[in-house]
Amino acid sequence: DIQMTQSPSTLSASVGDRVTITCRTSESTFESLAWYQQKPGRAPKLLIYKASTLQGDVSSRFSGSGYGTEFTLTISSLQPDDFATYYCHHYGDYSPAFGPGTRVDIK
Amino acid sequence: EVELLESGGGVVQPGGSLRLSCAASGFTFSTSAMGWVRQAPGKGLEFVSSINAGGGSTYYGKSVRGRFTVSRDNSKNTVYLQMNNVGVEDTAVYFCARALHEYNYVDPFDVWGRGTMVIASS
Repeated sequence: DIQMTQSPSTLSASVGDRVTITCRTSESTFESLAWYQQKPGRAPKLLIYKASTLQGDVSSRFSGSGYGTEFTLTISSLQPDDFATYYCHHYGDYSPAFGPGTRVDIK
Repeated sequence: EVELLESGGGVVQPGGSLRLSCAASGFTFSTSAMGWVRQAPGKGLEFVSSINAGGGSTYYGKSVRGRFTVSRDNSKNTVYLQMNNVGVEDTAVYFCARALHEYNYVDPFDVWGRGTMVIASS
């Protein structure tokens, strides 16, 4: 099974900062990689799929890139609503997996 | 409005069984693959199971394989998760979710329910 890592595990940032989160997989997932945002007590929200495709109602300040085993989620200018935990998700085969998560909190 | 509503959670004794249900509305259920994802208290997301649109193909996460069974009734717009031989490690919020693209079986999840809590405890 593909193993997932995310870095950093926690990130402290201020409103307006540019934020980058990295997800690495132990084997190539090609471009079958998604990103979710989750707030406490809420269900995850799909932000990006196919490594870089923005889900329909998601703000353009979110962007994704990468291919194979290394992927990034970037928030161009952090907004108060963006403080949350972010998960990557490999879905390219019959052993999908989520990364351990990156918590973005207020500096 | 597109909606998923889970039910059936609760307290179950270790070794016991529980069946979760997820009622879908607001979209064409019979053309959508569905999945279950869980989250233990204070922990991250873990894939549990997926089922294709017709119900004939399924796959499972390693930790539940052989104990949990996913099924669906397209006439009732409902997907189920039968949980057998439940262990304390299965304590979690269980989310039902819809695959992003119609008929895609291996896909990210674009619609999620609010979740139902399962607690395995004696």
